[in-house]
Amino acid sequence: DADVTQTPRNRITKTGKRIMLECSQTKGHDRMYWYRQDPGLGLQLIYYSFDVKDINKGEISDGYSVSRQAQAKFSLSLESAIPNQTALYFCATSVQGPVGETQYFGPGTRLLVL
Amino acid sequence: DAKTTQPNSMESNEEEPVHLPCNHSTISGTDYIHWYRQLPSQGPEYVIHGLTSNVNNRMASLAIAEDRKSSTLILHRATLRDAAVYYCILRRGGADGLTFGKGTHLIIQP
Repeated sequence: DADVTQTPRNRITKTGKRIMLECSQTKGHDRMYWYRQDPGLGLQLIYYSFDVKDINKGEISDGYSVSRQAQAKFSLSLESAIPNQTALYFCATSVQGPVGETQYFGPGTRLLVL
Repeated sequence: DAKTTQPNSMESNEEEPVHLPCNHSTISGTDYIHWYRQLPSQGPEYVIHGLTSNVNNRMASLAIAEDRKSSTLILHRATLRDAAVYYCILRRGGADGLTFGKGTHLIIQP
């Protein structure tokens, strides 16, 4: 079974709709992240959380919100979807180790906003 | 995070070694050098990371210049499955998320 899962894997929605992308992990990591990837580009950080009570904005948080319901769950919401939010969305987890940190990514959610 | 510079693409033949370069001239003393790769239609996956000394693991080797202003990811014997976009990322311990550039698109010819 995958350690980091994302649902749904694909989603088509209309402009103005509110949608939620979900991420679950079985790795037991405290840190979780949401990234978006536009075609041909690297990933950009949207939000991150170091534990259940900690939420931090990333470089492109406008138009997004998150909820850390439990250590294992981190949801990303688009309050009112717009076409330029069409992208590939990745969730990741990490844990700080003795020689730095490694992030583990989910399979991604492909979102199309019409 | 400090900036990294990588070639847009590289091509290699199957079963040959591949050397992927990365320049990071503004690296600070606390920056770790991380490499991730992204296979087609998948999320990024960790490859290797290091601070000052060269590192080896089952996937690859990381050679770090003595002044730490550049590094090279070495795939010792490329396979078709190694075709991916490879990202070189600098990250301070305890910092927030990773900062991805465009990476190097590695093409492996059979």
